[in-house]
Amino acid sequence: EDKVVQSPLSLVVHEGDTVTLNCSYEVTNFRSLLWYKQEKKAPTFLFMLTSSGIEKKSGRLSSILDKKELSSILNITATQTGDSAIYLCAVNDYKLSFGAGTTVTVRA
Amino acid sequence: EAGVTQFPSHSVIEKGQTVTLRCDPISGHDNLYWYRRVMGKEIKFLLHFVKESKQDESGMPNNRFLAERTGGTYSTLKVQPAELEDSGVYFCASSPRTAGEQYFGPGTRLTVT
Repeated sequence: EDKVVQSPLSLVVHEGDTVTLNCSYEVTNFRSLLWYKQEKKAPTFLFMLTSSGIEKKSGRLSSILDKKELSSILNITATQTGDSAIYLCAVNDYKLSFGAGTTVTVRA
Repeated sequence: EAGVTQFPSHSVIEKGQTVTLRCDPISGHDNLYWYRRVMGKEIKFLLHFVKESKQDESGMPNNRFLAERTGGTYSTLKVQPAELEDSGVYFCASSPRTAGEQYFGPGTRLTVT
């Protein structure tokens, strides 16, 4: 069975801090790795990564994939209270296998 | 462009009753997925449609769950009869291509009492 492990499970930071979230995986037929942000309802798509070493960036968020290490990181720089959410990592082998998520709390 | 929509947002039913959840994908997305999160667990895959065909239903828990996508547009997921362990949040997602990025709806919270 496919396995996705995220760490840490939760963290609390202050505005302006930088956070790094980790995702490791074991899947049979890797196609891509996706990151989502979930606040209240729908998980919101952030990034899809398919190739190692190519950083994807959107504003203060960035992510990179290491297929040799079977892992990915999501960075958030200059955090704001609006970044408080659960960040989900999922691996795609035609269906998504999700990790448990990392709950990020940003305090003013 | 409208996102994925789901109806209802919340449903409370008694054990043994039937419930039907509906998902409207993003227009033009041939791929439609159902997922479920039960209390304290990760989001788990249920099934995948490509247009009106079931591509993969390996995640469906048992034959009390029936999903349809007649005409390849919206999809329904029926639970009959509902059991207590069916409680959770049911998400629908759609994608323009297989193995592409998936866009999620807000979910239907199902409570079976």
